[in-house]
Amino acid sequence: AQSVTQLDSQVPVFEEAPVELRCNYSSSVSVYLFWYVQYPNQGLQLLLKYLSGSTLVESINGFEAEFNKSQTSFHLRKPSVHISDTAEYFCAVTDTGGFKTIFGAGTRLFVKA
Amino acid sequence: DTEVTQTPKHLVMGMTNKKSLKCEQHMGHRAMYWYKQKAKKPPELMFVYSYEKLSINESVPSRFSPECPNSSLLNLHLHALQPEDSALYLCASSRQGVNEKLFFGSGTQLSVL
Repeated sequence: AQSVTQLDSQVPVFEEAPVELRCNYSSSVSVYLFWYVQYPNQGLQLLLKYLSGSTLVESINGFEAEFNKSQTSFHLRKPSVHISDTAEYFCAVTDTGGFKTIFGAGTRLFVKA
Repeated sequence: DTEVTQTPKHLVMGMTNKKSLKCEQHMGHRAMYWYKQKAKKPPELMFVYSYEKLSINESVPSRFSPECPNSSLLNLHLHALQPEDSALYLCASSRQGVNEKLFFGSGTQLSVL
């Protein structure tokens, strides 16, 4: 079985400041890792994913995440946030053999002017 | 068309009512999902359909009955729900394959009185 822990339920940050949202996972099998974002009153959208290869993955809107196998982490970072980045961010894992995507509890990123 | 469309957006029902949630996608995805999301919580998997066949049922009570009439449509039939079933119900789809990202609809906000 897999599990995902997002260590911060809320992260307030000022506009143009850097941010890191933390995610740790546990699994006895190989997994794929994802970050999804949910804006108010909307469904989730994929931000980025790690399947294999380079441990650093990037999204088109400036976010990046690094897969660290030894620390079982997949932290999400952005060097300079915008007001529009205010949303709920979910880290998720899927085992490589099935359909089940397990989501972490979520981190609410609140960007202040 | 890269959308998953869910109807209705909002639904209020009594505990004796029968209602249905509908989900549609035209991306050619062969895997479709129902998730339940309570306020300030992560989505929880309910059902997975693969090639129109139910492949995962996460021990969901029988008052929730899924149906996949064809590869583009997914329904969730509701009967004799309880107030604690009030939540956002999200439909998602993906191409066949566990490393594929999930495309989510905007959800149906359900209130059971």
